[in-house]
Amino acid sequence: DTGVSQDPRHKITKRGQNVTFRCDPISEHNRLYWYRQTLGQGPEFLTYFQNEAQLEKSRLLSDRFSAERPKGSFSTLEIQRTEQGDSAMYLCASSYQETQYFGPGTRLLVL
Amino acid sequence: AQSVSQHNHHVILSEAASLELGCNYSYGGTVNLFWYVQYPGQHLQLLLKYFSGDPLVKGIKGFEAEFIKSKFSFNLRKPSVQWSDTAEYFCAVNENFNKFYFGSGTKLNVKP
Repeated sequence: DTGVSQDPRHKITKRGQNVTFRCDPISEHNRLYWYRQTLGQGPEFLTYFQNEAQLEKSRLLSDRFSAERPKGSFSTLEIQRTEQGDSAMYLCASSYQETQYFGPGTRLLVL
Repeated sequence: AQSVSQHNHHVILSEAASLELGCNYSYGGTVNLFWYVQYPGQHLQLLLKYFSGDPLVKGIKGFEAEFIKSKFSFNLRKPSVQWSDTAEYFCAVNENFNKFYFGSGTKLNVKP
């Protein structure tokens, strides 16, 4: 069990560019969550998957955001046409039952 | 939608002092409650959780929390803090093990 991993750990991009983040959950964890965290705030729920099915999406997840978990293992979060307001830490967590295990996050800076 | 309030944003204590961090949530139904901790440079990790049963739950490192349903509260406590408890603490609430709601966090600074 190597824990939840996220890649990249840091991303700097220019406004208008697309970015994609990857999350590898703990193996055999069937649930996977994405959160966004900005300075001084707790994690805000974005979306979650049970296996490959995306079961809920927050209204924070605008049309520019899309997440996939094609084989029920790793997941990707894509942000299209990034805006400066997208700058944040993007966290991934996985769980088998009720306890979430968090990854280190991907820090995004949009210039 | 659920909301979670942590009223203490920044707490400074000396070693051996007692700690109590407040957490209140808005949903009146059945909830699952969690406290997470984030040590400097590390990622969020579970401190303790409550689903049902004894409202006083014990977690790692001597922390405990008490669920008071009538007050919609789940306060975190530790009788005697250590310098190594310096971290940010987040309260979280979940209704069906689906969507989790987090508070804004409390930064604890323990002076040696």
